[in-house]
Amino acid sequence: AAGVIQSPRHLIKEKRETATLKCYPIPRHDTVYWYQQGPGQDPQFLISFYEKMQSDKGSIPDRFSAQQFSDYHSELNMSSLELGDSALYFCASSPRLAGVAGELFFGEGSRLTVL
Amino acid sequence: GQNIDQPTEMTATEGAIVQINCTYQTSGFNGLFWYQQHAGEAPTFLSYNVLDGLEEKGRFSSFLSRSKGYSYLLLKELQMKDSASYLCAVNPGGGNKLTFGTGTQLKVEL
Repeated sequence: AAGVIQSPRHLIKEKRETATLKCYPIPRHDTVYWYQQGPGQDPQFLISFYEKMQSDKGSIPDRFSAQQFSDYHSELNMSSLELGDSALYFCASSPRLAGVAGELFFGEGSRLTVL
Repeated sequence: GQNIDQPTEMTATEGAIVQINCTYQTSGFNGLFWYQQHAGEAPTFLSYNVLDGLEEKGRFSSFLSRSKGYSYLLLKELQMKDSASYLCAVNPGGGNKLTFGTGTQLKVEL
């Protein structure tokens, strides 16, 4: 079965650079979530989109922005990168109006390292 | 705010039973989830409780008491591959986003 696809899987950037992460949800899933997981920490909710509109906002820094496109894929844009942004970034998708409320299907994650 | 607490680490023996507890205080409640996460990999869904009681799913069972803000995940017949982090997560309502606990690192030994 098709899963959530994230790219790139690994990314190395310098401080103050920008990075873009991409997420392709499971077909027919209309809701996308972004989570950030630092080393040894729990996943922290950043932002979510439903039907291409922002549906919820968590602890996403102002330096970050995200959007969902007409094909439902989403991109997380990170600017002025800081060392503390080094983390695993997970994208998850869910069918909002069906299934278990809150069962998220996670991608394999994008590991960002800021040097 | 949201507060979800779990033990940081647990160790158990292969073939044994282990219970991982989770307590929560959230602004709302629309279900409690358990996810398994191996190091560097994506969390994978294990179980879901929205009503009080026990949900059984093979070697895994999860229990919920909403009045006590308490859940546990029970793993039976432990296998070495069960060594992983177990994340308790709550859907606080108003959508499908989850708030995760800090996770319990389970180590299964021979």
